[in-house]
Amino acid sequence: KAGVTQTPRYLIKTRGQQVTLSCSPISGHRSVSWYQQTPGQGLQFLFEYFSETQRNKGNFPGRFSGRQFSNSRSEMNVSTLELGDSALYLCASRRSGGTDTQYFGPGTRLTVL
Amino acid sequence: GENVEQHPSTLSVQEGDSAVIKCTYSDSASNYFPWYKQELGKGPQLIIDIRSNVGEKKDQRIAVTLNKTAKHFSLHITETQPEDSAVYFCAASIGGSQGNLIFGKGTKLSVKP
Repeated sequence: KAGVTQTPRYLIKTRGQQVTLSCSPISGHRSVSWYQQTPGQGLQFLFEYFSETQRNKGNFPGRFSGRQFSNSRSEMNVSTLELGDSALYLCASRRSGGTDTQYFGPGTRLTVL
Repeated sequence: GENVEQHPSTLSVQEGDSAVIKCTYSDSASNYFPWYKQELGKGPQLIIDIRSNVGEKKDQRIAVTLNKTAKHFSLHITETQPEDSAVYFCAASIGGSQGNLIFGKGTKLSVKP
C-alpha cells in the first residue's frame, strides 16, 4: 500500500506571494492533518480535515488555510508569505478517528526569500 | 496551554547500550501517546504508541511506559544499533483527539559503533 505523498517536495517563494501544497493520504484514510516543522518551534499542529470538513485547528493565523476533497486529498494554502513561514510542512493521514494511528508523509520544504 | 516536554535534547550511546528518552505532558485529557523517529530528509515514522488504558508496551527492542498519574511516558531502546541514530519525537493527543497531536522538541540520538 502506498504511503502518504506530498507535492511538491521543495518550493522557493518570495515574501508576499502565496503557496499551495498538496497531500494524498494513504488509500482508505479519510482524515488528513497538517503540521509545520521548524528548528525553533518544532512540530506544530495546523489543522485536521475529515470528510471535507475541518475538524480541529491549531494556533496559526488566518493566512494558513486548507481544504479536503471528496477523494480525501488535501491542500493547504499560505497567503502573503512571510520569512518566518519557511519550514517543512508535513501531512499525516489516518483512517478515521478514535484510536487510528497517524502516518506522515515526507513533507514539503518551503523556503521564503 | 498544552505542553509536552522532552528530555534529553541530545543523547549519545555506544552500540549495544540502552537509550531512554522521557516526556511529560500537561493535558489531563490526553489519551494517546505515539513516538516517532525522523531521519534526515524524511517525515516522522511511527515506531510505537501507547494508549491511556495501558501502562507498558513492547515491540522487539523498543518499549514505552506510561504513568498517567505523574503525566509522563518514556521510550526505551535496548541493544542500540547505528541505524537507530535519528531524531525521536514524543507526542500526546490534545483533548482526546488523535488528529491533534502536540509534540516534544525532539531528542537527537547518536549511536556510536
